Amino acid sequence: AQSVTQLDSQVPVFEEAPVELRCNYSSSVSVYLFWYVQYPNQGLQLLLKYLSGSTLVKSINGFEAEFNKSQTSFHLRKPSVHISDTAEYFCAVSDRIRNDYKLSFGAGTTVTVRA
Amino acid sequence: DGGITQSPKYLFRKEGQNVTLSCEQNLNHDAMYWYRQDPGQGLRLIYYSQIVNDFQKGDIAEGYSVSREKKESFPLTVTSAQKNPTAFYLCASSIVGEAYNEQFFGPGTRLTVL
Repeated sequence: AQSVTQLDSQVPVFEEAPVELRCNYSSSVSVYLFWYVQYPNQGLQLLLKYLSGSTLVKSINGFEAEFNKSQTSFHLRKPSVHISDTAEYFCAVSDRIRNDYKLSFGAGTTVTVRA
Repeated sequence: DGGITQSPKYLFRKEGQNVTLSCEQNLNHDAMYWYRQDPGQGLRLIYYSQIVNDFQKGDIAEGYSVSREKKESFPLTVTSAQKNPTAFYLCASSIVGEAYNEQFFGPGTRLTVL
Protein backbone atom coordinates (compact mmCIF):
# COMPACT_ATOMS: atom_id res chain seq x y z
CA ALA A 1 0.00 0.00 0.00
CA GLN A 2 1.09 3.53 -0.64
CA SER A 3 0.69 6.68 1.39
CA VAL A 4 1.13 10.28 0.32
CA THR A 5 2.11 13.21 2.51
CA GLN A 6 1.68 16.78 1.41
CA LEU A 7 3.76 18.74 3.85
CA ASP A 8 1.92 22.05 3.64
CA SER A 9 -1.83 22.39 4.01
CA GLN A 10 -1.89 26.11 3.16
CA VAL A 11 0.51 28.14 1.03
CA PRO A 12 -0.11 31.88 0.69
CA VAL A 13 1.94 33.55 -2.03
CA PHE A 14 2.10 36.90 -3.79
CA GLU A 15 1.43 37.22 -7.48
CA GLU A 16 4.53 36.71 -9.65
CA ALA A 17 6.41 35.05 -6.77
CA PRO A 18 7.60 31.42 -7.01
CA VAL A 19 5.82 28.60 -5.23
CA GLU A 20 6.77 25.06 -4.24
CA LEU A 21 4.35 22.41 -3.03
CA ARG A 22 5.95 19.45 -1.34
CA CYS A 23 4.87 15.86 -1.78
CA ASN A 24 6.45 12.75 -0.29
CA TYR A 25 5.23 9.22 -0.70
CA SER A 26 5.93 5.86 0.81
CA SER A 27 5.65 2.67 -1.16
CA SER A 28 7.30 -0.71 -1.22
CA VAL A 29 7.08 -0.81 -5.00
CA SER A 30 7.66 1.43 -7.96
CA VAL A 31 4.95 4.02 -8.55
CA TYR A 32 3.42 6.40 -11.02
CA LEU A 33 3.01 9.97 -9.74
CA PHE A 34 0.43 12.64 -10.45
CA TRP A 35 -0.48 16.20 -9.52
CA TYR A 36 -4.12 17.24 -9.78
CA VAL A 37 -5.60 20.74 -9.37
CA GLN A 38 -9.05 21.57 -8.03
CA TYR A 39 -10.63 24.99 -8.45
CA PRO A 40 -13.38 25.94 -5.96
CA ASN A 41 -16.47 23.72 -6.14
CA GLN A 42 -15.16 21.82 -9.15
CA GLY A 43 -13.76 18.40 -9.87
CA LEU A 44 -10.08 17.56 -10.19
CA GLN A 45 -8.03 18.18 -13.32
CA LEU A 46 -4.76 16.43 -14.09
CA LEU A 47 -1.91 18.93 -13.98
CA LEU A 48 1.03 16.66 -14.79
CA LYS A 49 2.25 13.11 -14.36
CA TYR A 50 5.46 11.13 -14.05
CA LEU A 51 5.42 7.73 -15.71
CA SER A 52 9.02 7.05 -16.72
CA GLY A 53 11.99 8.67 -18.39
CA SER A 54 13.02 12.21 -17.52
CA THR A 55 12.48 12.93 -13.85
CA LEU A 56 11.43 16.52 -14.61
CA VAL A 57 7.93 16.85 -16.03
CA LYS A 58 6.21 20.05 -17.10
CA SER A 59 2.66 21.27 -17.66
CA ILE A 60 1.46 23.64 -20.34
CA ASN A 61 0.73 26.41 -17.83
CA GLY A 62 4.19 26.72 -16.33
CA PHE A 63 4.16 24.15 -13.51
CA GLU A 64 6.86 21.53 -13.22
CA ALA A 65 7.53 18.64 -10.87
CA GLU A 66 10.61 16.56 -10.26
CA PHE A 67 10.63 12.92 -9.28
CA ASN A 68 13.34 12.11 -6.76
CA LYS A 69 13.49 8.38 -6.18
CA SER A 70 16.03 8.46 -3.35
CA GLN A 71 13.96 10.97 -1.40
CA THR A 72 10.62 9.52 -2.53
CA SER A 73 9.42 12.99 -3.42
CA PHE A 74 7.52 14.65 -6.25
CA HIS A 75 7.54 18.36 -5.45
CA LEU A 76 5.58 20.80 -7.62
CA ARG A 77 6.98 24.21 -8.54
CA LYS A 78 6.07 27.29 -10.51
CA PRO A 79 8.54 30.17 -10.92
CA SER A 80 5.89 32.91 -11.14
CA VAL A 81 2.28 32.45 -10.05
CA HIS A 82 -0.87 34.20 -11.22
CA ILE A 83 -4.07 34.99 -9.37
CA SER A 84 -5.71 32.26 -11.44
CA ASP A 85 -3.43 29.65 -9.83
CA THR A 86 -5.43 29.97 -6.62
CA ALA A 87 -6.70 26.42 -6.09
CA GLU A 88 -6.19 23.22 -4.15
CA TYR A 89 -3.47 20.88 -5.36
CA PHE A 90 -3.37 17.15 -4.78
CA CYS A 91 -0.47 14.76 -5.15
CA ALA A 92 -1.38 11.16 -5.99
CA VAL A 93 0.39 7.84 -6.58
CA SER A 94 -0.53 4.51 -8.08
CA ASP A 95 1.23 1.17 -7.86
CA ARG A 96 3.23 0.54 -11.03
CA ILE A 97 3.54 -3.19 -10.47
CA ARG A 98 0.14 -4.13 -9.13
CA ASN A 99 -1.73 -1.68 -11.37
CA ASP A 100 -5.07 -2.19 -9.65
CA TYR A 101 -6.22 1.19 -10.93
CA LYS A 102 -6.37 2.71 -7.47
CA LEU A 103 -4.95 6.13 -6.74
CA SER A 104 -3.82 7.20 -3.28
CA PHE A 105 -4.17 10.94 -2.68
CA GLY A 106 -2.49 13.33 -0.31
CA ALA A 107 -4.57 15.63 1.88
CA GLY A 108 -4.12 18.55 -0.47
CA THR A 109 -2.39 21.95 -0.40
CA THR A 110 -4.43 25.12 -0.75
CA VAL A 111 -2.59 27.81 -2.67
CA THR A 112 -3.86 31.36 -2.28
CA VAL A 113 -2.32 33.93 -4.61
CA ARG A 114 -2.57 37.55 -3.52
CA ALA A 115 -1.98 40.66 -5.61
CA ASP B 1 -18.03 16.96 -25.85
CA GLY B 2 -16.78 13.93 -23.96
CA GLY B 3 -16.77 14.05 -20.21
CA ILE B 4 -18.28 13.08 -16.91
CA THR B 5 -21.50 14.55 -15.56
CA GLN B 6 -22.69 14.40 -11.99
CA SER B 7 -26.09 15.42 -10.79
CA PRO B 8 -27.33 17.17 -8.86
CA LYS B 9 -24.63 19.72 -8.03
CA TYR B 10 -26.11 20.34 -4.58
CA LEU B 11 -28.23 17.86 -2.64
CA PHE B 12 -29.94 18.14 0.70
CA ARG B 13 -31.43 15.26 2.63
CA LYS B 14 -32.89 14.63 6.01
CA GLU B 15 -31.32 12.23 8.44
CA GLY B 16 -32.50 8.67 7.95
CA GLN B 17 -33.14 9.03 4.21
CA ASN B 18 -31.30 7.24 1.46
CA VAL B 19 -30.15 9.36 -1.47
CA THR B 20 -28.68 8.45 -4.87
CA LEU B 21 -26.01 10.47 -6.65
CA SER B 22 -25.78 10.19 -10.40
CA CYS B 23 -22.58 9.76 -12.44
CA GLU B 24 -22.56 9.40 -16.23
CA GLN B 25 -19.60 9.33 -18.62
CA ASN B 26 -19.39 9.31 -22.41
CA LEU B 27 -15.65 8.71 -22.59
CA ASN B 28 -16.11 4.98 -23.25
CA HIS B 29 -14.06 4.26 -20.14
CA ASP B 30 -14.35 0.84 -18.54
CA ALA B 31 -13.40 1.86 -14.99
CA MET B 32 -15.37 4.21 -12.76
CA TYR B 33 -14.78 5.41 -9.21
CA TRP B 34 -16.48 7.22 -6.36
CA TYR B 35 -14.54 9.37 -3.91
CA ARG B 36 -15.52 11.30 -0.86
CA GLN B 37 -13.76 14.60 -0.14
CA ASP B 38 -13.69 16.22 3.31
CA PRO B 39 -11.72 19.35 4.21
CA GLY B 40 -8.12 18.55 5.06
CA GLN B 41 -8.46 14.84 4.26
CA GLY B 42 -7.99 14.67 0.53
CA LEU B 43 -9.94 12.11 -1.44
CA ARG B 44 -10.92 8.73 -0.08
CA LEU B 45 -12.10 5.91 -2.32
CA ILE B 46 -15.60 4.59 -1.65
CA TYR B 47 -16.19 2.08 -4.49
CA TYR B 48 -14.76 1.34 -7.89
CA SER B 49 -15.75 -0.73 -10.88
CA GLN B 50 -13.55 -1.97 -13.70
CA ILE B 51 -16.28 -3.66 -15.72
CA VAL B 52 -20.04 -3.73 -16.03
CA ASN B 53 -21.84 -5.76 -13.34
CA ASP B 54 -18.77 -5.85 -11.13
CA PHE B 55 -17.47 -3.49 -8.44
CA GLN B 56 -15.17 -3.51 -5.42
CA LYS B 57 -15.16 -1.77 -2.08
CA GLY B 58 -12.71 1.02 -1.55
CA ASP B 59 -11.35 2.28 1.74
CA ILE B 60 -14.60 3.69 3.16
CA ALA B 61 -17.46 1.65 1.66
CA GLU B 62 -19.55 1.28 4.83
CA GLY B 63 -22.90 3.03 4.50
CA TYR B 64 -22.70 3.27 0.71
CA SER B 65 -23.87 1.10 -2.17
CA VAL B 66 -23.34 1.18 -5.95
CA SER B 67 -24.48 -0.52 -9.11
CA ARG B 68 -22.91 -0.83 -12.56
CA GLU B 69 -25.60 -2.00 -14.95
CA LYS B 70 -24.32 0.09 -17.85
CA LYS B 71 -20.81 1.01 -18.89
CA GLU B 72 -21.56 4.72 -18.87
CA SER B 73 -23.34 4.90 -15.50
CA PHE B 74 -22.19 4.32 -11.91
CA PRO B 75 -24.74 5.65 -9.39
CA LEU B 76 -23.87 5.90 -5.70
CA THR B 77 -26.46 5.48 -2.95
CA VAL B 78 -25.73 7.03 0.41
CA THR B 79 -27.74 5.03 2.89
CA SER B 80 -29.03 5.95 6.31
CA ALA B 81 -26.29 3.72 7.74
CA GLN B 82 -23.66 6.26 6.76
CA LYS B 83 -22.98 8.09 10.02
CA ASN B 84 -21.58 11.32 8.64
CA PRO B 85 -22.65 11.69 5.01
CA THR B 86 -22.21 15.46 4.60
CA ALA B 87 -19.33 15.81 2.12
CA PHE B 88 -18.33 16.55 -1.45
CA TYR B 89 -18.62 13.47 -3.67
CA LEU B 90 -16.53 13.04 -6.80
CA CYS B 91 -16.95 10.51 -9.57
CA ALA B 92 -14.09 9.58 -11.89
CA SER B 93 -13.38 7.25 -14.78
CA SER B 94 -10.36 5.78 -16.52
CA ILE B 95 -9.30 3.44 -19.28
CA VAL B 96 -8.57 -0.16 -18.32
CA GLY B 97 -5.52 -1.63 -19.95
CA GLU B 98 -3.31 1.42 -19.90
CA ALA B 99 0.00 1.05 -18.12
CA TYR B 100 -0.94 3.85 -15.75
CA ASN B 101 -4.13 5.09 -14.20
CA GLU B 102 -5.02 8.61 -15.27
CA GLN B 103 -8.43 9.33 -13.86
CA PHE B 104 -10.84 11.94 -15.24
CA PHE B 105 -13.13 13.60 -12.73
CA GLY B 106 -16.66 14.94 -12.79
CA PRO B 107 -17.64 18.30 -11.26
CA GLY B 108 -18.85 16.76 -8.00
CA THR B 109 -22.01 16.70 -5.88
CA ARG B 110 -22.12 18.47 -2.53
CA LEU B 111 -24.36 16.53 -0.15
CA THR B 112 -25.67 18.15 3.02
CA VAL B 113 -27.60 16.25 5.63
CA LEU B 114 -30.00 18.43 7.57
